[in-house]
Formats: sequence, C-alpha cells, structure tokens
Amino acid sequence: AQSVAQPEDQVNVAEGNPLTVKCTYSVSGNPYLFWYVQYPNRGLQFLLKYITGDNLVKGSYGFEAEFNKSQTSFHLKKPSALVSDSALYFCALRGGGNKLTFGTGTQLKVEL
Amino acid sequence: NAGVMQNPRHLVRRRGQEARLRCSPMKGHSHVYWYRQLPEEGLKFMVYLQKENIIDESGMPKERFSAEFPKEGPSILRIQQVVRGDSAAYFCASLSGTETYEQYFGPGTRLTVT
Repeated sequence: AQSVAQPEDQVNVAEGNPLTVKCTYSVSGNPYLFWYVQYPNRGLQFLLKYITGDNLVKGSYGFEAEFNKSQTSFHLKKPSALVSDSALYFCALRGGGNKLTFGTGTQLKVEL
Repeated sequence: NAGVMQNPRHLVRRRGQEARLRCSPMKGHSHVYWYRQLPEEGLKFMVYLQKENIIDESGMPKERFSAEFPKEGPSILRIQQVVRGDSAAYFCASLSGTETYEQYFGPGTRLTVT
C-alpha cells in the first residue's frame, strides 16, 4: 500500500526567510506527487506536481519542490516566505484511478 | 470558467437524519472524487465516479453512505441516519480525464451532526 508522511505538524518561519515543508512517500513504481495548500474554511488549491522529468519542479506563488528518488522525498520550498503563505499544506501521492493519498498536513506559520 | 461548486457550504443535521451533499465539477470534467477531512486529520479518499458509474468506492463506509453522478446534474454524496462521527468536511474534486492528473477541489461542505 502506498503512503505519504509529513513529519512536521507545524513549521514556523520568519518572513523573508526560506521555508521548507517536508514530505516523504512510499509507493511501488514511479510516483506522481502533488502539493496542495488549504486556507481556513476553503478548499484545496493545487500548487505543483511531479510526474517525470526535472527533479526541481516550479509551481504557483513562487513555490518549488525537489523530488529525490533515493530519499523518497518531495519537499516543498520557497526562497523567501511571506506572511500570506501561512496556511495548511498537504503532500499527496497519486494512486490507481488517480485517487490521491494525502499526508496529514503541515501548518505553516510565517511571522513578521 | 467556474470552478468546482459544492453546496451547501455548511449543513447541520440531527442524529438519524439524512445528509445530501452536492458537487458540480468544472466544465468539461467528467471525473469526480469525494474526500472526507475529519478534524485534525488529512483528507481521505471515499469514492471515484464517472458519469453514471461508480469506479472505485473502496474508501466509502459500507453502510449508510452512497454516491452517484447522474448523466445530468451534480454528483451527490448521501449519508443516511447520520451519527456524530460523520461530522467532517467533505470535499469534491474533479478531473478532466486528460493526462494532466491534478484534481481541482471545491470549497467543501462542512457537516455538523448534533
């Protein structure tokens, strides 16, 4: 069975500093990986995906993610955090029929 | 181009009542997925439907829950005889069916069972 782990429930970072939100996965075969963001009382917004190709994937709002096959990781990064980036972030893994397996989420808090 | 629509946004039901949650996918999308988000948990897959067909219901509780996606109209997630443990946010997502893979999510329906 496939799975996704987000080891940190919360990440705190100062505005202007780089941020990293961690994700590791387990799957047989090639992974299709996604990052979504959820603002309070809202649905999930797609940020970026890795299907194949370059290990560094660029997405919306200045976010990027680095795919590392040997470490089975897909960490989300941003060079300079904004207060408005504060939200709940989910890593997800595609399964059969395109259904998604989600991690438990990481609450990002960006402070002034 | 309207996104995925869900209604109602908030739904309060007493124990034993029925809850009906509606989802209209993005225009041109024929694949619908339902997920449930329990408090303090991530999203869990419930069911995957295409027009008039249930493709995968492996995440759906065996009793009281059902889903449909008729030829015309929205997809419906139906919960009969609700219990307090059904209180959660229910999200619908749609996919065009082409090989883009990213699902687009609706704003969710927050069900509270009193």
